[in-house]
Amino acid sequence: AQSVTQLDSHVSVSEGTPVLLRCNYSSSYSPSLFWYVQHPNKGLQLLLKYTSAATLVKGINGFEAEFKKSETSFHLTKPSAHMSDAAEYFCVVSSGYSTLTFGKGTMLLVSP
Amino acid sequence: DSGVTQTPKHLITATGQRVTLRCSPRSGDLSVYWYQQSLDQGLQFLIQYYNGEERAKGNILERFSAQQFPDLHSELNLSSLELGDSALYFCASSVAGTGIEAFFGQGTRLTVV
Repeated sequence: AQSVTQLDSHVSVSEGTPVLLRCNYSSSYSPSLFWYVQHPNKGLQLLLKYTSAATLVKGINGFEAEFKKSETSFHLTKPSAHMSDAAEYFCVVSSGYSTLTFGKGTMLLVSP
Repeated sequence: DSGVTQTPKHLITATGQRVTLRCSPRSGDLSVYWYQQSLDQGLQFLIQYYNGEERAKGNILERFSAQQFPDLHSELNLSSLELGDSALYFCASSVAGTGIEAFFGQGTRLTVV
């Protein structure tokens, strides 16, 4: 069995300040982990992925995430938020023979 | 552009009707997923096919059905439509059935009136 918990439904930051979106996972096997972003009325776009290589993963648009097995976490960070980062972000796990399991999403709000 | 094509982009239909949503996966992808996204339920996994066979089933209603054809395109059939079925329906595809990222289409917005 596998599951994903996104710890915040909404995160508000000011432009130019760091972003932290938190994700914890549970899986019976070694997981593959992903972050997706969805801008309003758009499809979901893959930001980055972890598939058992380097634990610090770099993605598009300056985002990165660190896989911490001991903490079962895969938090998404960005050093400096931009207005265009305002969107909904989904943490996703896939392990064993299980299909993708999505978290409930975190809405990132960026103020000027 | 993810390479996943969904048609139509928008669909307006009446309650009780039946509609078919179509998805063409990325070239070379064997797996297709269907998701429903609404304001109250969020993103819900419906069903996954892999190389023509049903791979995983999520919160798919009995009024809904899907299939994946030999050319790997997929269709999602929604029947006896209710107002609550109004949502954005996404298709995604991936090379393998598990452990790998999926690429999403732009979605079909279904409005039931």
